[in-house]
Amino acid sequence: GAGVSQTPSNKVTEKGKYVELRCDPISGHTALYWYRQSLGQGPEFLIYFQGTGAADDSGLPNDRFFAVRPEGSVSTLKIQRTERGDSAVYLCASSLGPAGDTQYFGPGTRLTVL
Amino acid sequence: KQEVTQIPAALSVPEGENLVLNCSFTDSAIYNLQWFRQDPGKGLTSLLLIQSSQREQTSGRLNASLDKSSGRSTLYIAASQPGDSATYLCAVPQAGGYQKVTFGTGTKLQVIP
Repeated sequence: GAGVSQTPSNKVTEKGKYVELRCDPISGHTALYWYRQSLGQGPEFLIYFQGTGAADDSGLPNDRFFAVRPEGSVSTLKIQRTERGDSAVYLCASSLGPAGDTQYFGPGTRLTVL
Repeated sequence: KQEVTQIPAALSVPEGENLVLNCSFTDSAIYNLQWFRQDPGKGLTSLLLIQSSQREQTSGRLNASLDKSSGRSTLYIAASQPGDSATYLCAVPQAGGYQKVTFGTGTKLQVIP
């Protein structure tokens, strides 16, 4: 079946602009995660959804970052007033359930803020 | 706060060699530990997941062990192949929240033909 997909694969924007990154999880997966990965680092947790609700958003770096999952499937990560330091690869993962199940990752969106 | 360290940061071996990658974590009260592979410019692929009650898991040429009391896990790769070249990451849930996963910085493996 289809895996986790993310769009766009690459996004270049100017400092101060607003961006949206989309994640389509594996069908039937109730848990969805967003991570951010900088060059040479492991992924850094941002937010976790169980169904439609953000069960843990403690990894979001500041209030410029926001994520939604209105119907419990597709999720959008929104970044306002982008800064150069936001440049990274944003990864999405989904799992069947919340209880530490195997996470399946998408290919990521490479965000570059000029 | 859970901290995860992977040693070595990079490793280069000739094809056919057996090798061990190391992962250490600071909080031993983990729910599970997962090993991933990441190819350049790609997302992560799950290799093995070890539950806290298990001591090892095997898949093909891969074997992962877990010693919770010492805060360590190892990934053993037998008879390495050039196709094994990638970055290998281990990940553990943070204490108190098994859905909030902490990743190590990875070991970049190069298998030379």
